[in-house]
Amino acid sequence: DGGITQSPKYLFRKEGQNVTLSCEQNLNHDAMYWYRQDPGQGLRLIYYSQIVNDFQKGDIAEGYSVSREKKESFPLTVTSAQKNPTAFYLCASSIIGRTEDYEQYFGPGTRLTVT
Amino acid sequence: RKEVEQDPGPFNVPEGATVAFNCTYSNSASQSFFWYRQDCRKEPKLLMSVYSSGNEDGRFTAQLNRASQYISLLIRDSKLSDSATYLCVVNGDSGSARQLTFGSGTQLTVLP
Repeated sequence: DGGITQSPKYLFRKEGQNVTLSCEQNLNHDAMYWYRQDPGQGLRLIYYSQIVNDFQKGDIAEGYSVSREKKESFPLTVTSAQKNPTAFYLCASSIIGRTEDYEQYFGPGTRLTVT
Repeated sequence: RKEVEQDPGPFNVPEGATVAFNCTYSNSASQSFFWYRQDCRKEPKLLMSVYSSGNEDGRFTAQLNRASQYISLLIRDSKLSDSATYLCVVNGDSGSARQLTFGSGTQLTVLP
């Protein structure tokens, strides 16, 4: 079955450590995205990528980094510079085509807790 | 003003009731509109796209009013399984055609 996988589902880290969240898709989508969601809030875009080896900052990129070496993979690193890293992180992907093709498909998410 | 605003609720309704959610957006250049559903501690999933002419999918009806910049979702004959948070989503205008802006969501609980 086609889909998006994220691992791990739950992640615990000590403050000051970098941590990398995995996101893989086999939908053959060109575009991939990372969001964070805090309790009672909407999703906020961290980074997105429309093509391999290229990515752009979203609204809250500070303290995060990404890479897109393969079409299927878009890992997110939460660095120690991110002041409030504890959140629910969601990866998504979409096709790029007609203007109306904005539907994004989400992975199951990773809950990161930093203490 | 937030780009996409929703009444957070919670909306608690009895089974079988009709419930309506509204959402307003600030970017008049937005072209694509969606309702996503998010169950507790799960990822959002597309419920339906919203077209200019309005569209219906079973018990769900979505409407778009471009002049007033609002979107609505109507759920008829609500079921217990409709309990979730409903996210209003609009394509953003941040230099990329691929960005979506999410509302904070409206929480619905359908009671037996």
